[in-house]
Amino acid sequence: QQPVQSPQAVILREGEDAVINCSSSKALYSVHWYRQKHGEAPVFLMILLKGGEQKGHDKISASFNEKKQQSSLYLTASQLSYSGTYFCGTELDSGGYQKVTFGTGTKLQVIP
Amino acid sequence: NAGVMQNPRHLVRRRGQEARLRCSPMKGHSHVYWYRQLPEEGLKFMVYLQKENIIDESGMPKERFSAEFPKEGPSILRIQQVVRGDSAAYFCASSSTSVVTDTQYFGPGTRLTVL
Repeated sequence: QQPVQSPQAVILREGEDAVINCSSSKALYSVHWYRQKHGEAPVFLMILLKGGEQKGHDKISASFNEKKQQSSLYLTASQLSYSGTYFCGTELDSGGYQKVTFGTGTKLQVIP
Repeated sequence: NAGVMQNPRHLVRRRGQEARLRCSPMKGHSHVYWYRQLPEEGLKFMVYLQKENIIDESGMPKERFSAEFPKEGPSILRIQQVVRGDSAAYFCASSSTSVVTDTQYFGPGTRLTVL
């Protein structure tokens, strides 16, 4: 089942912070975050696993709340290069193989 | 170290023609995933292949669509008798293993336009 992302779109000024949420109606095993710029391939940001810790690099971090079946992506002190569409992808179990179901995306625009 | 390669980048077909999309995974990767992305929408899983095997094709339309990943050469997504609704961006991704902790690396996509 497709995860739900919110907000659908957000406009930030450089230096502002943003939070993007990803929710599922089913218990999750992992959450994948990607960023896609217009006309380009999605670029991997991070994977969060059930029972794992909050992850991050540079000014982008994420958390995974297993009880709420929700993940949040935090962008702090946003830069122009952060503009793009952010997708979360979810997996329901660890068995077998990867099968990621992606949300509809959150469009982020950072303006000067 | 070359990333995932897809060709062609843009493909125009008339209704009823065949479309062949190619994907060369990253070096050392033997797992390939195909996704379809309609304008302003997310990525929809189509099929997961390992070398010479289709593991999961639950996202593939039952008719006109097929995929393969031969022992030698790229993975091919084939769409027969294309219709306007097939117009979309088709992305492939590859990974070195199938475990959930592994990363899928995406190619630049093939944008199919059906006239």
